[in-house]
Amino acid sequence: GQNIDQPTEMTATEGAIVQINCTYQTSGFNGLFWYQQHAGEAPTFLSYNVLDGLEEKGRFSSFLSRSKGYSYLLLKELQMKDSASYLCAVRNQAGTALIFGKGTTLSVSS
Amino acid sequence: DGGITQSPKYLFRKEGQNVTLSCEQNLNHDAMYWYRQDPGQGLRLIYYSQIVNDFQKGDIAEGYSVSREKKESFPLTVTSAQKNPTAFYLCASTQWGTENSPLHFGNGTRLTVT
Repeated sequence: GQNIDQPTEMTATEGAIVQINCTYQTSGFNGLFWYQQHAGEAPTFLSYNVLDGLEEKGRFSSFLSRSKGYSYLLLKELQMKDSASYLCAVRNQAGTALIFGKGTTLSVSS
Repeated sequence: DGGITQSPKYLFRKEGQNVTLSCEQNLNHDAMYWYRQDPGQGLRLIYYSQIVNDFQKGDIAEGYSVSREKKESFPLTVTSAQKNPTAFYLCASTQWGTENSPLHFGNGTRLTVT
């Protein structure tokens, strides 16, 4: 089976840096995805990691350690519009579907 | 522009009625998915289809049914057997084949059953 854990809620201030952690247990690993979801809207793709290390994409970066079953999403220079839920997801063992964690709700204040 | 269309955005039904949620994509993707989202629960997989005329149960398939008669369409029927159908339903598609193929989501249908 698969299990994905993320903190439920986080708060931060504009301009700051925040790290959202995700730990997972899977029967086989086929890649990890991060999505952003604003309230009442569809999730949008942020990043993908399949090898260990850091993937940087503008203000957002994602890190993966397969040996530790651990990933984080790093958001720099926070803006109010970054207030959203951030979803960590891994592929199922067959590689045919994504299994999501419960998501982390980030609140950015001024 | 290519994308995924879910309709309607809001749907209201009486308990005991079946209801069908529409999902259409023009991205030419082979794989399509239905997820359910409840507050504090994240996205949970209901059904998915890798190819026309074939589909598999996800983690919470009980009380739901699907069909995949055309590549573009993957309707979800919420039956009266589903004990707690009120939720936000998201349809998604992707083209597996490259490792980092992300899921593309529709805008969702919010179903309320009273």
